[in-house]
Amino acid sequence: GAGVSQTPSNKVTEKGKYVELRCDPISGHTALYWYRQSLGQGPEFLIYFQGTGAADDSGLPNDRFFAVRPEGSVSTLKIQRTERGDSAVYLCASSSDGNTEAFFGQGTRLTVV
Amino acid sequence: GESVGLHLPTLSVQEGDNSIINCAYSNSASDYFIWYKQESGKGPQFIIDIRSNMDKRQGQRVTVLLNKTVKHLSLQIAATQPGDSAVYFCAESSIGGYNKLIFGAGTRLAVHP
Repeated sequence: GAGVSQTPSNKVTEKGKYVELRCDPISGHTALYWYRQSLGQGPEFLIYFQGTGAADDSGLPNDRFFAVRPEGSVSTLKIQRTERGDSAVYLCASSSDGNTEAFFGQGTRLTVV
Repeated sequence: GESVGLHLPTLSVQEGDNSIINCAYSNSASDYFIWYKQESGKGPQFIIDIRSNMDKRQGQRVTVLLNKTVKHLSLQIAATQPGDSAVYFCAESSIGGYNKLIFGAGTRLAVHP
């Protein structure tokens, strides 16, 4: 597609369940980022991939959060044992390399009930 | 449903007027600054950026001003239109910092006909 695509657009899950959020970056973009946006706040950095490897995962809040990008394209953000505080919009962005403009997807709204 | 920026400060302007949105950034070592526009249910959209070796940059209907002395950034929108209504975020980063963006709190711009 022409832009960054995230699926699902909305996800409701029960506390304690496992969820996966998917990001399809712009074709050819080597850099991929995950951000989390809580209501009324700006996005917060979670993790940055350059190719297949996580170059910086310093924003992941705890070990329940994990992300992969096995082929250097699609990325999956995985959250184990979800908590109500994990409810937020999870945004994915990509750029052609780590230093050029980042393009954001529309986000996945995660609600933990 | 919920929307981004529900509790953010709001700037209300009349259609056709100029708008000025202000932002204070936190890190004196940041050398790259970006303004994003975010409409409800969408991801942030790049508007304009500026590097720390500049104090002004102009785009189409938008101007960004940077005052490094007081760590202040502003976005000026000329002849504001209803389509400009959105939440605006400033973000800071370091050149070579692979888009590890630190976002400000955001300002909602409401344009009235």
